[in-house]
Amino acid sequence: GAGVSQSPRYKVAKRGQDVALRCDPISGHVSLFWYQQALGQGPEFLTYFQNEAQLDKSGLPSDRFFAERPEGSVSTLKIQRTQQEDSAVYLCASSLVTGAGNTIYFGEGSWLTVV
Amino acid sequence: GQQVMQIPQYQHVQEGEDFTTYCNSSTTLSNIQWYKQRPGGHPVFLIQLVKSGEVKKQKRLTFQFGEAKKNSSLHITATQTTDVGTYFCAGPDTASKLTFGTGTRLQVTL
Repeated sequence: GAGVSQSPRYKVAKRGQDVALRCDPISGHVSLFWYQQALGQGPEFLTYFQNEAQLDKSGLPSDRFFAERPEGSVSTLKIQRTQQEDSAVYLCASSLVTGAGNTIYFGEGSWLTVV
Repeated sequence: GQQVMQIPQYQHVQEGEDFTTYCNSSTTLSNIQWYKQRPGGHPVFLIQLVKSGEVKKQKRLTFQFGEAKKNSSLHITATQTTDVGTYFCAGPDTASKLTFGTGTRLQVTL
């Protein structure tokens, strides 16, 4: 596709509900990143995929967060038993080549509000 | 872990005035990237600096990478209302992780 596509754009979840956020990266991009951005803050790294392999998940805040990219293209970020502190924008980004030092292209984000 | 701080946190200027944001890393960086995020939008890549002391220009924007590769700056000459947004610097922490700065929010009024 022309850019990184994320869905849903907006999600309101009741506390305790599970959510799944989808990311469709730019076609052919090897690297895929998930970031979390709280209001008024910079993006915070969550996890990184190189093709289908999840090489770094050090930023996932708890075991309620899980990400996958089974075929090396589309990725899903799943949050189980959502809490109010999970409210944030979840940004997906992709890069043509591997490594964080390369240009990454962000999607428009999935805005999650937990009530 | 690596920390990246930016100052100021917020700046409000009149259109036509200049603007500068400064970025400081706790560790030496292999490169530094700058992003712009419009209100309600997503970060958009502006530029990457790699060499010590490097200076790059994009129209009214001038980017500098410090000699020690631990700091950087973005200067906008004669701001316009289209420059409104938050400017983030970011540097690679590991092979996979890009650490973003705290951001500087720029407001421009007529």
